[in-house]
Amino acid sequence: QSALTQPASVSGSPGQSITISCTGTSSDVGGYNYVSWYQQHPGKAPKLMIYEVSYRPSGVSDRFSGSKSGNTASLTISRLQAEDEADYYCSSYTGTTTLGFGGGTKLTVL
Amino acid sequence: QVQVVESGGGVVQPGRSLRLSCAASGFSFNNYAMHWVRQAPGEGLEWVTVIWYDGSNKYYADSVKGRFTISRDNSKNTLYLQMNSLGAEDTAVYYCARSLARWNYYYSMDVWGQGTTVTVSS
Repeated sequence: QSALTQPASVSGSPGQSITISCTGTSSDVGGYNYVSWYQQHPGKAPKLMIYEVSYRPSGVSDRFSGSKSGNTASLTISRLQAEDEADYYCSSYTGTTTLGFGGGTKLTVL
Repeated sequence: QVQVVESGGGVVQPGRSLRLSCAASGFSFNNYAMHWVRQAPGEGLEWVTVIWYDGSNKYYADSVKGRFTISRDNSKNTLYLQMNSLGAEDTAVYYCARSLARWNYYYSMDVWGQGTTVTVSS
């Protein structure tokens, strides 16, 4: 099964931008454009923020953007707001019919 | 509105079985692949399984293959997860989630329930 690597934590001040990385292999992140990003506030269900590397679902702020280079995908949040403080998870198709999640990144807004 | 609601969680002894349900409403359930995703206490998300819109294909994480079975009843707009031979490692909140797009698409999930808690303990 996929093992996607994310930093355990990132932080930024309101108004700043941050980037969360998600590193996989050529068999998952690098091989397919099926990377998603989810936001999860404590005690809440995950929320889809980005799908297929860089597309935003309807209703998601344009402050959230996604990209990919090689085996690493990235989520960038610009103009940080207090409400962005949450856990963020990447997900990718693994090429073997399954999906995998990263370990999650805790975003702290200072 | 579009929603999914899980039920069936509880405390179960190691080695026993449990069946979770997920009731869908507000959308054409039989058009979408459906997933189960779990989250152990204090841990990250773990994808568990997916079933295609018509039940023709089912895929499982290695950690549950052979023990868990996903199924659906499109006439009842309900998704199921039969969990057998449960162990402490299966203790988690189990989320039901809808695939983002119709038919065979299953690479992202856009509608999530609030989860149902499964605790495996003697």
